[in-house]
Amino acid sequence: DSGVTQTPKHLITATGQRVTLRCSPRSGDLSVYWYQQSLDQGLQFLIQYYNGEERAKGNILERFSAQQFPDLHSELNLSSLELGDSALYFCASSQSGTNNEQFFGPGTRLTVL
Amino acid sequence: DQQVKQNSPSLSVQEGRISILNCDYTNSMFDYFLWYKKYPAEGPTFLISISSIKDKNEDGRFTVFLNKSAKHLSLHIVPSQPGDSAVYFCAASPLNSGGYQKVTFGTGTKLQVIP
Repeated sequence: DSGVTQTPKHLITATGQRVTLRCSPRSGDLSVYWYQQSLDQGLQFLIQYYNGEERAKGNILERFSAQQFPDLHSELNLSSLELGDSALYFCASSQSGTNNEQFFGPGTRLTVL
Repeated sequence: DQQVKQNSPSLSVQEGRISILNCDYTNSMFDYFLWYKKYPAEGPTFLISISSIKDKNEDGRFTVFLNKSAKHLSLHIVPSQPGDSAVYFCAASPLNSGGYQKVTFGTGTKLQVIP
């Protein structure tokens, strides 16, 4: 158990819908990262937050947005969902924002029908 | 553009033998490298890391070697155990990234250790 929690574990929805994925980092970790893993693909970095502020952006679509709240939990919002958005979404946390090992949650499996 | 490449999607090794997982990178700004292990239905778990000032880092059965001139790193597992069967991801990031960390992951190598 990494100490990072993600909810929900599974999510099935339809095209065009909007969903919110939630992540609680390990106690004491200030940085949260979001990744997408599609079938047979590596982990694609989406976005990083550090202590409430956006710090780094990767291949995140405009239809996706994220935020980190004062209690340090984070949410990833996915809107106007398409079939290709079906993937595993991982959240990770680290103590700081620079090259500490990241601790990953168990992931949320999103299926868009 | 795949900046971190793991060209072997899978690898099978006998228990007790050495497992060697390879990773190549193209971005010369990368100077911090990590290996993660992932079991099915779980998130990746950090295994070992190395910065570009070193060419080797060892932790128990796991050793990572870095060849900066070839932009190549490898993970050696000796001796391999059935519990090592998992997908291994290589990852890289710039060290001095101004207070943030944009990590690029490879596509993973699935290791099977045969008893």
